[in-house]
Amino acid sequence: ILNVEQSPQSLHVQEGDSTNFTCSFPSSNFYALHWYRWETAKSPEALFVMTLNGDEKKKGRISATLNTKEGYSYLYIKGSQPEDSATYLCAFNNAGNMLTFGGGTRLMVKP
Amino acid sequence: NAGVTQTPKFRILKIGQSMTLQCTQDMNHNYMYWYRQDPGMGLKLIYYSVGAGITDKGEVPNGYNVSRSTTEDFPLRLELAAPSQTSVYFCASSNEGRLTDTQYFGPGTRLTVL
Repeated sequence: ILNVEQSPQSLHVQEGDSTNFTCSFPSSNFYALHWYRWETAKSPEALFVMTLNGDEKKKGRISATLNTKEGYSYLYIKGSQPEDSATYLCAFNNAGNMLTFGGGTRLMVKP
Repeated sequence: NAGVTQTPKFRILKIGQSMTLQCTQDMNHNYMYWYRQDPGMGLKLIYYSVGAGITDKGEVPNGYNVSRSTTEDFPLRLELAAPSQTSVYFCASSNEGRLTDTQYFGPGTRLTVL
């Protein structure tokens, strides 16, 4: 069983603040790291898929970096908005058929 | 495209009852998955399927059964419901099951076993 950890578990920020959170995963046999955004009462939606060490992906105000040698990925949100409130999930794949998900970081942005 | 649909959205079961959670996708995806989500625990894979007629166990298969008679449908069966099965269940699908393929999720079924 692979161990994928996300921190912090929850986060409260003010509108306009920039924030970031971490996904840690085993550094051996890495293949892909996925980030999903999950709003309450909706389906998780894919944000990024990352495969290369040093990779950086960006989608609007959200970006992610990847360090496969040390086994972590950061997700950054610049200028948080209330609509960014969601749970952010990372999922690790080490060449099997299964994704192993972290527990998620629940972000709440106050207006 | 409706994507991945799940029914029902909510259900309350008594201990020992059985039920089937329905999942259908209209994207002609080969791979389908069932996850359960417990608070603070992330998504745990219950079963998955790589195509019609083929299913395999995930991380937490005990107490569940699945079938895949068509590409579109992947129902999850609970035979003897237990309180430990109280959870939110998500069905997902992906095109080829490649390690970089995005999984598309349904809206979830919230199940409570009392």
